[in-house]
Amino acid sequence: AQSVTQLDSQVPVFEEAPVELRCNYSSSVSVYLFWYVQYPNQGLQLLLKYLSGSTLVKGINGFEAEFNKSQTSFHLRKPSVHISDTAEYFCAVTESGGGADGLTFGKGTHLIIQP
Amino acid sequence: DTAVSQTPKYLVTQMGNDKSIKCEQNLGHDTMYWYKQDSKKFLKIMFSYNNKELIINETVPNRFSPKSPDKAHLNLHINSLELGDSAVYFCASSQGRKGEQYFGPGTRLTVT
Repeated sequence: AQSVTQLDSQVPVFEEAPVELRCNYSSSVSVYLFWYVQYPNQGLQLLLKYLSGSTLVKGINGFEAEFNKSQTSFHLRKPSVHISDTAEYFCAVTESGGGADGLTFGKGTHLIIQP
Repeated sequence: DTAVSQTPKYLVTQMGNDKSIKCEQNLGHDTMYWYKQDSKKFLKIMFSYNNKELIINETVPNRFSPKSPDKAHLNLHINSLELGDSAVYFCASSQGRKGEQYFGPGTRLTVT
């Protein structure tokens, strides 16, 4: 079984400042990693994913994440945030091989952009 | 032309009732899922269906039963609703069991 830890439940950032949302995972097998964003009263939208290959992954809305196998981390970054980035961000993992389907999510990080 | 749709968006009902939530995807995906998001926004997988076969079933009470009439639909039926069932339920779909998942807008269920 795998687990995901999002270390910060809430991250306040000033507009146009950089941000990093932290995600660590635990798994005994190889995994696929995802970041999803949830705007208020909406469903989840995929920001980016890591399946294999380059450890630096670029996603939508200027976000990127870096897979670090030795540290079992998949932190999300954006160099300059906007008010519209205010949302809940979820890191998720699934086994890359066989095994249980479905995503295992972290508890989420609420990104608050301050003007 | 919404990719994954759910009905209803809001559902308010009393304890003990039976209710269903419908999910449809027009992406041609072969795998569909149900997730529950609690009041603290924690998301947990409930079920997944691949080619009309139940793949996983986490520790979900048997009052919950997924029903898939075809590949494009995965409905969630809940019997004898309890207060603790109040949550937002999300449907999702993917191509293959490890493909990226596309989520519906959610159904907010309130049990009084």
